[in-house]
Parts: sequence; C-alpha cells; structure tokens
Amino acid sequence: QQQVKQSPQSLIVQKGGIPIINCAYENTAFDYFPWYQQFPGKGPALLIAIRPDVSEKKEGRFTISFNKSAKQFSLHIMDSQPGDSATYFCAASRTGTASKLTFGTGTRLQVTL
Amino acid sequence: DVKVTQSSRYLVKRTGEKVFLECVQDMDHENMFWYRQDPGLGLRLIYFSYDVKMKEKGDIPEGYSVSREKKERFSLILESASTNQTSMYLCASSLWSSGNTIYFGEGSWLTVV
Repeated sequence: QQQVKQSPQSLIVQKGGIPIINCAYENTAFDYFPWYQQFPGKGPALLIAIRPDVSEKKEGRFTISFNKSAKQFSLHIMDSQPGDSATYFCAASRTGTASKLTFGTGTRLQVTL
Repeated sequence: DVKVTQSSRYLVKRTGEKVFLECVQDMDHENMFWYRQDPGLGLRLIYFSYDVKMKEKGDIPEGYSVSREKKERFSLILESASTNQTSMYLCASSLWSSGNTIYFGEGSWLTVV
C-alpha cells in the first residue's frame, strides 16, 4: 500500500517556468513532510520541509504548499533554472517513528533553455 | 561537513552469491537506514537501526539482513543474491528524533547476473 502518492512522474519546463510537483498522503498521523532533491549519480539531499501547523513555507526559489484537510502538499520552483534539473521526492513521517520516512515515487524534472 | 560513505559504488555479483554492502557515517547519528531505489517505485525502506545491535524491519526486508556492531557502521547483507535484487541501494543516517534531516550516501549500484 503506497502511503504517499506523487505526480507527475516526469516534467519538462522551460527556464523561468514554475514546475509544480504534487503529493498526497493517506496516514493522518504524518506530521513532517520533507522534499528531497537527487542529482544523477548522487544520493538524495534535503531541499525543504514543512510541518502541518503552517500552510506554506518558502526557502529561496522553493515553496511548499500544504493542505491538511485535503491531505496534499506540493513543491513549487520559482524561476526554474537548468541547474534545477533533478529528481524530486516528497516524503512523510510521524512523531514517534524516529526519522523513518515514507517516500513518494519521484518526479524527474528537466528544465530546458 | 556531514558524510555517509558507501564503500562500493558499483558491484556485479552472480546469482546465489552472498553480498555485503557497507556504510559508514561520521556524524555520531543514532539512526541508520538502508533504502532501495527503483525507477517508478521511489525509495523503499529495507531495514532501520536506532542503536548498536538494534534493528527493525522496513517495508521490504525479505531476502536481506543487516548488521550494526558499531554506531558508525551499518551493513546490508544479501544472503543469496537474486536477479530481482538488482537495484540501487542507499544508506542513510539521522539523529534520533522524528523530523531530523536524513543524510544519504551516494548509493551502491548492484547488478546480479
């Protein structure tokens, strides 16, 4: 049973565009929602994270929007650049489970010139 | 700078061989993880350890075992490798509490022929 559903599987945008990646979760006990970025040949690295007490969090060009009632959260990349081309994973975990994360299936983003 | 090191980046093994994947972290983290990454399936947790000699099954433990004799080292063992275990394996570590950043190694590509 997939507890975190991510879409789309792949995405191509032009430089300057705003790619949006969506995730939906099922377990209402989840209370920590990070996004990880992975470049080819590298391990994933934490990009930005949010907790359900806020509806939005921004860090530089990256924004997480969170909708608790819909059990959905999304990543927006403002003014996207070719260097943002990577695979993005959403994830979720709940208090009391140490740092165990349940990951989405990933979105491969390509930003073209 | 935080570091999770996976000693073998690329391995080719024969069906039935015993395979060891080694991982070392230098951050004095309590938690260590082994994930498997496959296209379209995201990252799936194989095993998790929250202390020396302690281990907990993840979502897909079948066919795998782990060993944690020292805090900084976490090994993944494939007792009898099979072709369906061909994959990218990612080691990670974190501090104990939920919501702490998980740091990943660069991955070990295993091909079983």
